[in-house]
Amino acid sequence: EVQLVQSGAEVKEPGESLRISCKGSGYDFSTYWIGWVRQMPGKGLEWLGFIYPGDSETRYSPSSQGQVIISADTSISTAYLQWSSLKASDTATYYCARRVGWQVDYWGQGTLVTVSS
Amino acid sequence: QTVVTQEPSFSVSPGGTVTLTCGLSSGSVSFSHYPSWYQQTPGQAPRTLIYSTNSRSSGVPDRFSGSILGNKAVLTITGAQADDESDYYCVLFMGGGSWVFGGGTKLTVL
Repeated sequence: EVQLVQSGAEVKEPGESLRISCKGSGYDFSTYWIGWVRQMPGKGLEWLGFIYPGDSETRYSPSSQGQVIISADTSISTAYLQWSSLKASDTATYYCARRVGWQVDYWGQGTLVTVSS
Repeated sequence: QTVVTQEPSFSVSPGGTVTLTCGLSSGSVSFSHYPSWYQQTPGQAPRTLIYSTNSRSSGVPDRFSGSILGNKAVLTITGAQADDESDYYCVLFMGGGSWVFGGGTKLTVL
């Protein structure tokens, strides 16, 4: 059974760094793109970018370029989304999702990140 | 910057048919945008309904269908049920690896 399991909720202060994770199981993690989606409180969905774990090719949306880093570790079938200096505006739920071709077929359960002083 | 547009809200009667649209602030939606559609209920992860314009994801009932109509992508729900009450989002591929969500449509079934 294919599963994407994300790390738990985080509460951070502005300026802190953070890395959240998305662990894939039940399939060959290296050969499927993983994407990250942001949903700010009460708002819509926004693609942040994708990574192909097999060769770490990464594509960022224009708005997320330079704001977050997407990475993956194939040895533990895990993708990451990280920030070097969080802002209050990073408060959101973040979802990972598996992409095959033009289809997003599996989603993680979401990770709530709260940034507040 | 081109924006992906959706109706903010829509309502449908139980058993009725509703067509939600996905357009561009500038230009027309075509098959080369590979439109996809997602359903999300509050507090839940999105669920993929349609990809590549009109392909249904596994397990999605055939009450849900996608197409291109005029200059927009559309999601049609026939025989609307109470549990279809959700937010619906479209996504368009904008080239260069960039996928863009529309603002979403809140569908009410009443």
